[in-house]
Amino acid sequence: EPEVTQTPSHQVTQMGQEVILRCVPISNHLYFYWYRQILGQKVEFLVSFYNNEISEKSEIFDDQFSVERPDGSNFTLKIRSTKLEDSAMYFCASMLLRNQPQHFGDGTRLSIL
Amino acid sequence: AQKVTQAQTEISVVEKEDVTLDCVYETRDTTYYLFWYKQPPSGELVFLIRRNSFDEQNEISGRYSWNFQKSTSSFNFTITASQVVDSAVYFCALSEPARQNTDKLIFGTGTRLQVFP
Repeated sequence: EPEVTQTPSHQVTQMGQEVILRCVPISNHLYFYWYRQILGQKVEFLVSFYNNEISEKSEIFDDQFSVERPDGSNFTLKIRSTKLEDSAMYFCASMLLRNQPQHFGDGTRLSIL
Repeated sequence: AQKVTQAQTEISVVEKEDVTLDCVYETRDTTYYLFWYKQPPSGELVFLIRRNSFDEQNEISGRYSWNFQKSTSSFNFTITASQVVDSAVYFCALSEPARQNTDKLIFGTGTRLQVFP
């Protein structure tokens, strides 16, 4: 069964450094998402992406965050200057059509030191 | 106000017991979707079920069943004859496609289920 793939599974970065989290969505899916989950808390929406542009972003997704789908297969989340509070599990999800289930990757655990 | 409320933070049961996880949602939309996801200790999010607001039929899938009641804005999840492998955090989620153009999921805070042998 096709699945969403995220790399790396764990990223450790110094505060202030840039980090790029990578995702390969399911190949024929059209809608892409990033969510984050701070340890022990609920999953929170960050951003949605469709037709090569952001369709919605949350308050969390400030100027330090950006997303890109550079080559038609990868979907990346970049944090320009990481802060301690960016430490979380980041999930990528993709969806074939509107109102269908979103399929999640296994997540990238980001630890900021 | 919380859009998705999972009042049970943690539930512990012994194997073979039945357990119900509660989910109450809040929306002003007439068209919406409800979901349950499972997050096992390994951390991934596993899709379990999607329900649209026009389909109030209860659903059963093996030991899992879901009870959707619009009158009480609830979408409860029951595991029959629980097993140790059911131990996980279970999240209920809502999407409001008419309100947003993105189908973003609004998650509840999750219920941690521990099934003891």
